[in-house]
Amino acid sequence: TQLLEQSPQFLSIQEGENLTVYCNSSSVFSSLQWYRQEPGEGPVLLVTVVTGGEVKKLKRLTFQFGDARKDSSLHITAAQPGDTGLYLCAGAEDYKLSFGAGTTVTVRA
Amino acid sequence: DSGVTQTPKHLITATGQRVTLRCSPRSGDLSVYWYQQSLDQGLQFLIQYYNGEERAKGNILERFSAQQFPDLHSELNLSSLELGDSALYFCASSPRGGLAQETQYFGPGTRLLVL
Repeated sequence: TQLLEQSPQFLSIQEGENLTVYCNSSSVFSSLQWYRQEPGEGPVLLVTVVTGGEVKKLKRLTFQFGDARKDSSLHITAAQPGDTGLYLCAGAEDYKLSFGAGTTVTVRA
Repeated sequence: DSGVTQTPKHLITATGQRVTLRCSPRSGDLSVYWYQQSLDQGLQFLIQYYNGEERAKGNILERFSAQQFPDLHSELNLSSLELGDSALYFCASSPRGGLAQETQYFGPGTRLLVL
């Protein structure tokens, strides 16, 4: 059973379209992290959000942390084929990270 | 390249066997984390070491054990292997090793196949 539920599980879009990935939990986390993982490689940290209601922008990526620190979203504007990958959210509590099952994003050229 | 190295990259073995996975953290990082990634369970935290001492435990089976050596490299030992242990095993490291909010740098993983 995953502490963090991600949706959708799979997402396939055309280059230039926008997409949003959701990460929801019934637990409160001290912080939430988003990772991207490409085939054959380890996850790479994209962002850490700490404060409830926090919004962080990294170029075309926008990350939101819910007010209650239980949920988060990742929005990609004008997706590019290079955005293809497995997107994982992870909730931080004490010294542990609990990961969601991930959203596989495919951006078609 | 995250700076974390893992060996071997691939491992094929039989049920009942024992294997050792090795991880070298980034230079200067004191903490090492081990994760298991499988299709049905996703990425699961197994165990964390900080400067040679066990810091946190996750969903690690009793058949599995780990240690961190004085030079800070770590080994994950998997024994009495079962088919269900087939997975990707990742090691990650972080600088201060205290908080999960720290950036964890993941290695490329070891792909274990138990036949």
